[in-house]
Amino acid sequence: AQTVTQSQPEMSVQEAETVTLSCTYDTSESNYYLFWYKQPPSRQMILVIRQEAYKQQNATENRFSVNFQKAAKSFSLKISDSQLGDTAMYFCAFMILADMRFGAGTRLTVKP
Amino acid sequence: DTAVSQTPKYLVTQMGNDKSIKCEQNLGHDTMYWYKQDSKKFLKIMFSYNNKELIINETVPNRFSPKSPDKAHLNLHINSLELGDSAVYFCASSQDPGLSGNTIYFGEGSWLTVV
Repeated sequence: AQTVTQSQPEMSVQEAETVTLSCTYDTSESNYYLFWYKQPPSRQMILVIRQEAYKQQNATENRFSVNFQKAAKSFSLKISDSQLGDTAMYFCAFMILADMRFGAGTRLTVKP
Repeated sequence: DTAVSQTPKYLVTQMGNDKSIKCEQNLGHDTMYWYKQDSKKFLKIMFSYNNKELIINETVPNRFSPKSPDKAHLNLHINSLELGDSAVYFCASSQDPGLSGNTIYFGEGSWLTVV
């Protein structure tokens, strides 16, 4: 069974600074997808970024980028120039076909 | 237009009651899901349907019964509600899981409180 681990329950960062959220996963599969979702207090699940396991190039989406290390089964999220609106729960997720599994989440607080 | 819509958004009900949560997606997706998020914010998959067929059925009490009348709808019926059923239930959808590049899109969640 696939498992996803987020070892940082809470993190904080000053506005405009950079923060990295960690995620590791365990699988014996070679073809899968990895995601970061953001959940603000409204509870809406918002896709932040997606990575295909067969692609070596790290995905980027504006201020958000990932460091995907397939051999190490690591998928960290870097948020540059943090903004107050980035305050939220961040969930790392692993997906094979229709089965998406989430980590326990990291609560990120951006301080002014 | 909301891509994945759930109703009701908030539901407070007494133990022992039966309730349903409805979900509809207008994205043309083939696969729909129900996830449960408990008070500790942990998200867990409950069910997944592809073209109205059940493909994932996690260890969920029999009191929970999903129904998919067509591929755009996936409803969740819960019998004999218990206090532990209090949670946020998310409906979601994605393209056919056999295709590459699929992403799950979530509804806004249905907050169920059992008293």
